[in-house]
Amino acid sequence: DSGVTQTPKHLITATGQRVTLRCSPRSGDLSVYWYQQSLDQGLQFLIQYYNGEERAKGNILERFSAQQFPDLHSELNLSSLELGDSALYFCASSAPGTGTTDTQYFGPGTRLTVL
Amino acid sequence: AQKITQTQPGMFVQEKEAVTLDCTYDTSDPSYGLFWYKQPSSGEMIFLIYQGSYDQQNATEGRYSLNFQKARKSANLVISASQLGDSAMYFCAMREGTTGTASKLTFGTGTRLQVTL
Repeated sequence: DSGVTQTPKHLITATGQRVTLRCSPRSGDLSVYWYQQSLDQGLQFLIQYYNGEERAKGNILERFSAQQFPDLHSELNLSSLELGDSALYFCASSAPGTGTTDTQYFGPGTRLTVL
Repeated sequence: AQKITQTQPGMFVQEKEAVTLDCTYDTSDPSYGLFWYKQPSSGEMIFLIYQGSYDQQNATEGRYSLNFQKARKSANLVISASQLGDSAMYFCAMREGTTGTASKLTFGTGTRLQVTL
């Protein structure tokens, strides 16, 4: 158990809908990362938050947005869903800082299926 | 250009034998970190081992060791005494830049390891 929790584990929805994925980082970690894993794209970085602020952005679609709350949990919102958004979405957390390895620990993932 | 290259889509190894999973990387940043993760069929991503670009010695964690050859830009994972439970997908990943900054990981395409009796 990495200490990172994600809910829900599975999500099945229809095209055009909106969903919210939730992540709670390991105790003490200030950084949260979101990744998408799909068969055609592999593992892709979406976005990083550090202590409530957006720190880095990757291949995140405009239909997707995220935020990190004062209690450090994060939510990834996916809207106007398309079939191609079906994927495994991971949240990871780390404790960045000088002297650390900044290792990212991953949650169990949310498997999204868009029908 | 691919930043992380894993050229072995699949590997077989017999139980109790050692196996090496290849990873090469490409970066112009002098400061970076290299990671290996294991993804069993259940789907979770499990951190295995880390190597920093300035580390003088190869990293080891139990049965896992990282063969770091900086000049060749390779960071191969060695699993000793393979066990059936090692059957999984293995991903090599790189973080560019120093810790404490934006720290996204770039992943390779993975190697599927199958341990046989």
